[in-house]
Amino acid sequence: GENVEQHPSTLSVQEGDSAVIKCTYSDSASNYFPWYKQELGKGPQLIIDIRSNVGEKKDQRIAVTLNKTAKHFSLHITETQPEDSAVYFCAAKENRGSTLGRLYFGRGTQLTVWP
Amino acid sequence: DAGVTQSPTHLIKTRGQQVTLRCSPKSGHDTVSWYQQALGQGPQFIFQYYEEEERQRGNFPDRFSGHQFPNYSSELNVNALLLGDSALYLCASSAAEYYGYTFGSGTRLTVV
Repeated sequence: GENVEQHPSTLSVQEGDSAVIKCTYSDSASNYFPWYKQELGKGPQLIIDIRSNVGEKKDQRIAVTLNKTAKHFSLHITETQPEDSAVYFCAAKENRGSTLGRLYFGRGTQLTVWP
Repeated sequence: DAGVTQSPTHLIKTRGQQVTLRCSPKSGHDTVSWYQQALGQGPQFIFQYYEEEERQRGNFPDRFSGHQFPNYSSELNVNALLLGDSALYLCASSAAEYYGYTFGSGTRLTVV
């Protein structure tokens, strides 16, 4: 099955700085790569995603890049704010059709943004 | 528009007991997946239901079973609870022609 590795496990940045979280995956057939933000006591919230036919996607301060050849994808957060502090998970979806298919998650990155 | 609704939010059970967790998918979604999230870990796939059938199963024992109803809501049942079953159980729903999953806030199960 798919194996998703995520680094770093913890990341501390000063408010206003950028944060980058990196993930690698093993199954070249995986076709969808979401990023989730999970705050304490809550479920994962989708913040951005990218499909395998796209190399980069941006939504305001958040961007995701995908390198299919190297099988890695990254989350970039610019102008970080204290409310960005949370655990971030990357995931890869196996290719079994648009709705059927499991997500394989990384182990998470605890991001702390200091004011 | 209500998102994914899970109940109960918290639950304490004794080893050996059975538990049922419930999930109502987001409006318009027809596929429900269940995930187990241990403390400090990423969610692990348990199984997925579509058209009232289990379509795929992760590496979980038969003590874990589920059901999907005609209104797309779903239940997760765990029999013979073990201490190691203590975790956050997440329900995620999705819809045809849409790759993304919407997660609920989860049910925190503690087995003592």
